[in-house]
Amino acid sequence: DIQMTQSPSSLSASVGDRVTITCRASQSINSCLSWYQQKPGKAPKLLIYGASHLQSGVPSRFSGSGSGTDFTLSISSLQPEDFATYYCQQSYSSRPEVTFGGGTNVEIK
Amino acid sequence: QVELQESGPGLVKPSETLSLMCTVSGYSITSGYYWGWIRQPPGKGLEWIGSIDQSGSAYDNPSLRSRVTVSVDTSQNQFSLQLSSVTAADTAVYYCARESVLLLYGAAFDVWGQGTMVTVSA
Repeated sequence: DIQMTQSPSSLSASVGDRVTITCRASQSINSCLSWYQQKPGKAPKLLIYGASHLQSGVPSRFSGSGSGTDFTLSISSLQPEDFATYYCQQSYSSRPEVTFGGGTNVEIK
Repeated sequence: QVELQESGPGLVKPSETLSLMCTVSGYSITSGYYWGWIRQPPGKGLEWIGSIDQSGSAYDNPSLRSRVTVSVDTSQNQFSLQLSSVTAADTAVYYCARESVLLLYGAAFDVWGQGTMVTVSA
């Protein structure tokens, strides 16, 4: 099974800060990585698919990069509505299996 | 606009089978995509349970495989989850979601239901 490790598990930041979250796969997953945002009591929302492709309707301050085993989600200028938990998710194999990372909680400093 | 809605009992007794339904509106299941189930225990992260396409081709989490059945009813535009022999560890919010599978990019869940809380307790 492919394991996904996110870091940090939580961070504190201020409005306007640039924030970077990393996700590492236990083996190469090419570009088969997605990022989600989840707010308390709500379903997750897809932000990025294919490691770097912005989902329709998602603000351009969100970006994703990486391939193979190392990936990042960046928020260029943190907005009040961005305080949430972020998850990475992989799906890579001949018979796709899906694994989520443990999550990163972005809190207000 | 595609919408998904979970339904089913909010309370299940230990050792029994958890059964949930997801009703899809605004899109025909027969038109494509996979359809998946994801759960989230209180205060914890997301865990994928399993997914199915319109033909009934399913794949699931190896850690749950012996207890999971995912099925599809195209006539009702619904898909369902059955999880057998439940314990307190299966207490979670259960989400259904549409799964977009692209050759180079893998799978991503682009439309989600609101989630339904299921508690396992006697």
